[in-house]
Amino acid sequence: NAGVTQTPKFQVLKTGQSMTLQCAQDMNHNSMYWYRQDPGMGLRLIYYSASEGTTDKGEVPNGYNVSRLNKREFSLRLESAAPSQTSVYFCASSERPGGPQHFGDGTRLSIL
Amino acid sequence: DAKTTQPPSMDCAEGRAANLPCNHSTISGNEYVYWYRQIHSQGPQYIIHGLKNNETNEMASLIITEDRKSSTLILPHATLRDTAVYYCIALSSSNTGKLIFGQGTTLQVKP
Repeated sequence: NAGVTQTPKFQVLKTGQSMTLQCAQDMNHNSMYWYRQDPGMGLRLIYYSASEGTTDKGEVPNGYNVSRLNKREFSLRLESAAPSQTSVYFCASSERPGGPQHFGDGTRLSIL
Repeated sequence: DAKTTQPPSMDCAEGRAANLPCNHSTISGNEYVYWYRQIHSQGPQYIIHGLKNNETNEMASLIITEDRKSSTLILPHATLRDTAVYYCIALSSSNTGKLIFGQGTTLQVKP
């Protein structure tokens, strides 16, 4: 019973490099989310997908793109990484929009 | 979604009940009270939620006042593993799921 699985767990990039963070859930949830958390701060929503085939911007979408590949998978792409994107990224899923969210263990991303 | 207010920190002795308060005086009728926690360096964990009635699950109990202006999360027998930051969030039923985590309450369970 894996829940929400994020890969990779850690990554170091150079400024300007691109990267895709992967997220998969095995709970048959309809909605999925990407958040970032900076030191000492709460989570901020980057993008979300209320259901398969839809994606919407959250609070801090600039510099990111997402793909809801299928019901299970929701990826986050950094096209040209910047040091300001150094953060911990969390993926979450819920059975329905607004329902209880279940989170992965995060991807710790450093951009030099 | 209504703003919530929590004390920044609390201590609790291991084995005792931990009672974490939350004020949400501007909560509207269709807003649920959700509780999450985040243990250091882990992803947030859903605990419990409720609308009007008190709720209990295997993790905790949620007591909501009759006027719904405040609530209390109760961990009946706190353990060291319950040391975490606890977040109280008011979320409307029509919300697309955007969780806004405030500063929360840092609960320190002590032996």
